[in-house]
Amino acid sequence: DAGVTQSPTHLIKTRGQHVTLRCSPISGHKSVSWYQQVLGQGPQFIFQYYEKEERGRGNFPDRFSARQFPNYSSELNVNALLLGDSALYLCASSLGQYNEQFFGPGTRLTVL
Amino acid sequence: DQQVKQNSPSLSVQEGRISILNCDYTNSMFDYFLWYKKYPAEGPTFLISISSIKDKNEDGRFTVFLNKSAKHLSLHIVPSQPGDSAVYFCAASARNTNAGKSTFGDGTTLTVKP
Repeated sequence: DAGVTQSPTHLIKTRGQHVTLRCSPISGHKSVSWYQQVLGQGPQFIFQYYEKEERGRGNFPDRFSARQFPNYSSELNVNALLLGDSALYLCASSLGQYNEQFFGPGTRLTVL
Repeated sequence: DQQVKQNSPSLSVQEGRISILNCDYTNSMFDYFLWYKKYPAEGPTFLISISSIKDKNEDGRFTVFLNKSAKHLSLHIVPSQPGDSAVYFCAASARNTNAGKSTFGDGTTLTVKP
């Protein structure tokens, strides 16, 4: 069975640009969460979507937005990129809102 | 204010011995706790979890202990194997308020020497 997939694997952007990261959950999973992991720290919660609705939001600025599609895949969008947005962005899926999360390999974003 | 803390950045143990990884939390609303293992270039992999209604949960070589009064949990790996070498993250959530949000510690790098 395919696990959580994320694209792209790596991405290099410059300050001020916009980026879209994509996530496909495990088949049958209806919840997707996004996390940011800065080097040397644990993942920080950004968003959770369940049944295409936002169910949770972390302490991130409005430059960060996300959505979930009818097939339960998800996009994370970041506008006006800053150097500090350089991080590994992890997507996690779960069966429901309260189940264990399974993580994808992440997208490594570098902002120059 | 870090709500989940793993105070040991690294731990080294001999193969076959016990590995004990520790985690402290401050938010009394947390009622569900998880441990994840992470290899380089991979996402975290779920290992084991425990609800606040329990004080112990076992799964094979992995046991998690929860001390609610001390707001402390630990992961025991017995016996430790070289393949266990990875970064271990402790995470906590408040399932009755924001189930999808897991708050992670900064991780402990475990090295198991052959």
